[in-house]
Amino acid sequence: QLQLQESGPGLVKPSETLSLNCIVSGGSVGSSRYYWGWVRQPPGKGLEWVGAMFSTGSTYYNPSLESRITISVDTSKNQFSLRLSSVTAADTAVYFCARSGYDSRYNYYYYFMDVWGNGTTVTVSS
Amino acid sequence: EIVLTQSPATLSLSPGERATVSCRASQSVSSFLGWYQHKPGQAPRLLIYDASNRASGIPARFSGSGSGTDFTLTISSLEPEDFAIYYCQQRSDWAWTFGQGTKVEFK
Repeated sequence: QLQLQESGPGLVKPSETLSLNCIVSGGSVGSSRYYWGWVRQPPGKGLEWVGAMFSTGSTYYNPSLESRITISVDTSKNQFSLRLSSVTAADTAVYFCARSGYDSRYNYYYYFMDVWGNGTTVTVSS
Repeated sequence: EIVLTQSPATLSLSPGERATVSCRASQSVSSFLGWYQHKPGQAPRLLIYDASNRASGIPARFSGSGSGTDFTLTISSLEPEDFAIYYCQQRSDWAWTFGQGTKVEFK
């Protein structure tokens, strides 16, 4: 059973870089045909897609964050990471990592997020 | 960026009633739309992918329909555990977006 667990500092100072890892267990981050992504939820607001990285190495980012964001995969540690630079209070949120899904009934890989971590709260404050 | 608009913002219903949540896209997303259930303090849960396909393990009372710009999530008979916030999400272009959410609450 695939499990994801976010890790990283809960407090980041304004203008610094937010760095989170998503540790993958019960499966391989190098698995082909999946993508690994991040979603966040600011306090009192809805879900916001942050970005995703495919096993091919292709990355896709929320345009509003694109200039500040990097998502990468580390197969040696079986984890993937999010780096968001020059953070402000607006980046305060619960950050979730997730993986896309596979329907064995149809042998079909679908590009919606099917396995999620529990989320980690990141506060940007001095 | 494709904007997804959900309606209503809040749905007040009783267990056993039918819930219908709408999601309208600012431009066609074909059938590349999913629905998630989210409860406070928990991870979101994928219910429907590609507009009408139930994800693995999702009860049959959840169904999705629509294509192009108009989509619907239906819960045929609400169970107590279904009271939550529901989000639609599109993956039609490479700037994926969520709707603003619909809260299904106890009447």
